[in-house]
Amino acid sequence: QLQLQESGSGLVKPSQTLSLTCAVSGGSISSGGYSWSWIRQPPGKGLEWIGYIYHSGSTYYNPSLQSRVTISVDTSKNQFSLKLSSVTAADTAVYYCARSGNGFDPWGQGTLVTVSS
Amino acid sequence: QSVLTQPPSVSAAPGQKVTISCSGSSSNVGNNYVSWYQQLPGTAPKLLIYDNDKRPSGIPDRFSASKSGTSATLGITGLQTGDEADYYCGTWDSSLSAGGVFGGGTKLTVL
Repeated sequence: QLQLQESGSGLVKPSQTLSLTCAVSGGSISSGGYSWSWIRQPPGKGLEWIGYIYHSGSTYYNPSLQSRVTISVDTSKNQFSLKLSSVTAADTAVYYCARSGNGFDPWGQGTLVTVSS
Repeated sequence: QSVLTQPPSVSAAPGQKVTISCSGSSSNVGNNYVSWYQQLPGTAPKLLIYDNDKRPSGIPDRFSASKSGTSATLGITGLQTGDEADYYCGTWDSSLSAGGVFGGGTKLTVL
């Protein structure tokens, strides 16, 4: 059974860079034709797709975040990562990783990142 | 403001049926597969429907969905109190503002 688990800093200061990692277990990040996505959800609000990466390293980002987002993959560790630069309070959210194809499934449990000084 | 439009809330009594709509455009719903997600309080979203109308294994047939043109609909029959959750539609967008897009979510209350 494929499982995803997010990890990283839960508190980031304004203007700094948010960094999260998604560890994939129960299957290989390199298998199949899937991409691997990051999605976030501000407190009390809806879902926002951030971007995805293939095991080859090809990426696609949400145009509204593109200038600040970098997603990378480490196939040897079976994980992928998110960096979001120049964060503000508006970036406070629960960040999820998920396998993406025809739908997002499965999802990680999510990790809350708070941007505050 | 979300790219896909959903009603903020719906409600119905236990045992009844409810539908949730998801409206988009030709660049997203109209030309891409739609998926639906259930988010129970305090948990991550869970895939309910993919490819417009397919259920992953383990999803009961009380949950169904359809798509017509630029709109999609999720239906839930035999409502249970455990179905109280937020429901989101999602798809891909092929326009300049491309990528994954979601509806704003619909809060289902089982009265």
